[in-house]
Amino acid sequence: QVQVVESGGGVVQPGRSLRLSCAVSGFTFSSYDMNWVRQAPGKGLEWVAAIWYDGSNKYYEDSVKGRFTISRDNSKNALFLQMNSLEAEDTAVYYCARGRWLLDYWGQGTLVTVSS
Amino acid sequence: QSALTQPPSVSGSPGQPVTISCTGTSSDVGSYNRVSWYQQTPGTAPKLVIYEVSNRPSGVPDRFSGSKSGNTASLTISGLQAEDEANYYCSSYTSSSTVVFGGGTKLTVL
Repeated sequence: QVQVVESGGGVVQPGRSLRLSCAVSGFTFSSYDMNWVRQAPGKGLEWVAAIWYDGSNKYYEDSVKGRFTISRDNSKNALFLQMNSLEAEDTAVYYCARGRWLLDYWGQGTLVTVSS
Repeated sequence: QSALTQPPSVSGSPGQPVTISCTGTSSDVGSYNRVSWYQQTPGTAPKLVIYEVSNRPSGVPDRFSGSKSGNTASLTISGLQAEDEANYYCSSYTSSSTVVFGGGTKLTVL
């Protein structure tokens, strides 16, 4: 069965960096685009970034462009999100999700709290 | 990348139908049949209930249906059940090859 597991969240000070990871199993990872989607406490879903199946194209939400970098390692079935210059507004649960426009499998999320 | 527009809340009685709207622009909802709907209950990950405007994934009850007209997509739940109480989010692929979500709609089953 498909499994998607995020890790790497935690409490970080404003301006610092954090790297999230997403480990997947149960499907051919290298055949699927992947996304990061976040949800601030008590708020709605916000798409953050996407990477094509082969890593050839990457897309970002405007507020994270230049600060966040999405990447993947198809040999290890892993997706990453490098988050730099973190701001309080980046506080959220970060979900890893499979797909390009329909996100059919999601992890349970990892909480990132940006606070001094 | 402005969020798609959804009503903040809707409600209905068990057995009644309810419809949630999702309005975008000609750069997203209006341009592609790549509208999805997600159901989320508190503390859990979103679950895909409709994809490509009107298709149901395996295991989603047939009381869930979707449609689209112009820049507005809709999710209809016919025959509401107590277990349908949740937050619902629409999303669309965009002309920038990104994804945009709606603000979410809280469905209350009376």
